[in-house]
Amino acid sequence: AQSVAQPEDQVNVAEGNPLTVKCTYSVSGNPYLFWYVQYPNRGLQFLLKYITGDNLVKGSYGFEAEFNKSQTSFHLKKPSALVSDSALYFCAVREGNTDKLIFGTGTRLQVFP
Amino acid sequence: GAVVSQHPSWVICKSGTSVKIECRSLDFQATTMFWYRQFPKQSLMLMATSNEGSKATYEQGVEKDKFLINHASLTLSTLTVTSAHPEDSSFYICSVLPDRTLYNSPLHFGNGTRLTVT
Repeated sequence: AQSVAQPEDQVNVAEGNPLTVKCTYSVSGNPYLFWYVQYPNRGLQFLLKYITGDNLVKGSYGFEAEFNKSQTSFHLKKPSALVSDSALYFCAVREGNTDKLIFGTGTRLQVFP
Repeated sequence: GAVVSQHPSWVICKSGTSVKIECRSLDFQATTMFWYRQFPKQSLMLMATSNEGSKATYEQGVEKDKFLINHASLTLSTLTVTSAHPEDSSFYICSVLPDRTLYNSPLHFGNGTRLTVT
């Protein structure tokens, strides 16, 4: 069965510094990987996805993520954090040709001015 | 603009009453919609897959008689929490898969419904 792990409940970073939010996955077939962001009392917004091709994918708001097959990871990164990036971030995986999207437990990103 | 409209955004109800939450796909027809439940400080739990014109597929542990799902048209799915109890208080989020054949397509989410049962 597919699963996603986000080992950090919270990540704190100073504004202007680079940020990384970690994600590892487990699937038996080809993974389709996604990152979403959630602001308080709102639904999730799509940030980026990895399907195939380049291991580094770029998404919305300056975020990018690196797919690492050998480490089964898909960490979210941003070179320079903004206070407005503070939110809850979810990594998700869809396996092969299934409909279901399985989410990690979420990581709260706090960017301090 | 929003492609998925979820209503209401919040609702307070008394124990024993039923609450209906609507999820509308605004920009495309959706044969498949998903209902998630989010507990405080926890991830999204997939409750069920809503299929247009057929019965919903519930995840293990989700009571189908408690959480009634109706997907009567290609743009509307409803979740009814029947005989609500305080433990049903949660944040419910619907999502739409634009094209079921495109497994690389991201889900589009509604803004969620905060249900509080008193």
